[in-house]
Amino acid sequence: EPEVTQTPSHQVTQMGQEVILRCVPISNHLYFYWYRQILGQKVEFLVSFYNNEISEKSEIFDDQFSVERPDGSNFTLKIRSTKLEDSAMYFCASSERYTEAFFGQGTRLTVV
Amino acid sequence: AQKVTQAQTEISVVEKEDVTLDCVYETRDTTYYLFWYKQPPSGELVFLIRRNSFDEQNEISGRYSWNFQKSTSSFNFTITASQVVDSAVYFCALSESLGGGKLIFGQGTELSVKP
Repeated sequence: EPEVTQTPSHQVTQMGQEVILRCVPISNHLYFYWYRQILGQKVEFLVSFYNNEISEKSEIFDDQFSVERPDGSNFTLKIRSTKLEDSAMYFCASSERYTEAFFGQGTRLTVV
Repeated sequence: AQKVTQAQTEISVVEKEDVTLDCVYETRDTTYYLFWYKQPPSGELVFLIRRNSFDEQNEISGRYSWNFQKSTSSFNFTITASQVVDSAVYFCALSESLGGGKLIFGQGTELSVKP
């Protein structure tokens, strides 16, 4: 069964460093998303991406964040200068035109 | 503005008990979509069900059933004869569109099923 794959599963980084979280969405899907879940809290929308551009972003998704689809398979989230409060589980998701979103297993980001 | 409320933060039951997880939503859209996702201890988010706002028919899938009532803006989830493997955090979510629309999640309900 096709699935969304995220790497790494866990990333530890020092405050102020740049991190790139990687995702391989399901191959025939058209819409791509990033969500964040701070430990013990609800899942929050960050950004959606369609046709090689951002279609919607939340207030959380400020200038520190960027997304890219560098080739036909990968979808990345970059955090330019990490802060302690960026520590969270980051989920990538993808969907077809008229279907629900399927999520990856998540990348746990720890900023120290 | 859209909002999803899961008032039950934690529920603990003994195996084989039935349990209902509540979800109340707010939206001004006439067309919207409701979802349930399961987050087991391993952390991933697993899609369980989607309902469209124009389809109020209840759904049953094995031990799982869902009750959608537009009149009360609720989309409740019942597990019949719960099992230890049902222990997880369950999230209700709302979206204004299908495919491309952002999901608005509730706070989640942590279900603990004890043997």
